[in-house]
Amino acid sequence: SQQGEEDPQALSIQEGENATMNCSYKTSINNLQWYRQNSGRGLVHLILIRSNEREKHSGRLRVTLDTSKKSSSLLITASRAADTASYFCATVLDQAGTALIFGKGTTLSVSS
Amino acid sequence: DVKVTQSSRYLVKRTGEKVFLECVQDMDHENMFWYRQDPGLGLRLIYFSYDVKMKEKGDIPEGYSVSREKKERFSLILESASTNQTSMYLCASSFGLAGFNEQFFGPGTRLTVL
Repeated sequence: SQQGEEDPQALSIQEGENATMNCSYKTSINNLQWYRQNSGRGLVHLILIRSNEREKHSGRLRVTLDTSKKSSSLLITASRAADTASYFCATVLDQAGTALIFGKGTTLSVSS
Repeated sequence: DVKVTQSSRYLVKRTGEKVFLECVQDMDHENMFWYRQDPGLGLRLIYFSYDVKMKEKGDIPEGYSVSREKKERFSLILESASTNQTSMYLCASSFGLAGFNEQFFGPGTRLTVL
């Protein structure tokens, strides 16, 4: 499987702190996506970064991509209790991009 | 508003039963997907479909089949449910190739097989 691997598996921080999650993958990609899952719910798309992009921002989210190291990171700045969730990176199943393969996720807990 | 719905949030079935999980999307998306999610294993792709009556195997198709008779509906079938199929099942859809486009997920069905 080409499943991405998130690191760390779990992260606990205080409100207002920054949270950084990393994703490593094995094969060449066209782009990489990040998703969030609140407890017991479906996943919600956060951001898509293309292979020719190095950094992308969306609100308090900053995603970086290093294709030479086959890794990506998701930074959440000034975290809030509502950011408590699991975060997943997703890469393509094949070069045609027909389907996504998700990592095992990072569980983030933000306490107030 | 974009919507993916799944027929049940919670389902309890007995070993050997035939189980149908239904997923409907209202976005006219060509692509639909079924995943299962287990603690420590993340999301694993079971099957996906890129068009009506078309299907492709994902990472873990064994013990499952799918049906896509209409564009908006994608069904996951457990022919003879077993206890190791107890899991959270997530349906998703996307417009165009999933690798290049956002996937929209349903709320999930938590299936327990006794």
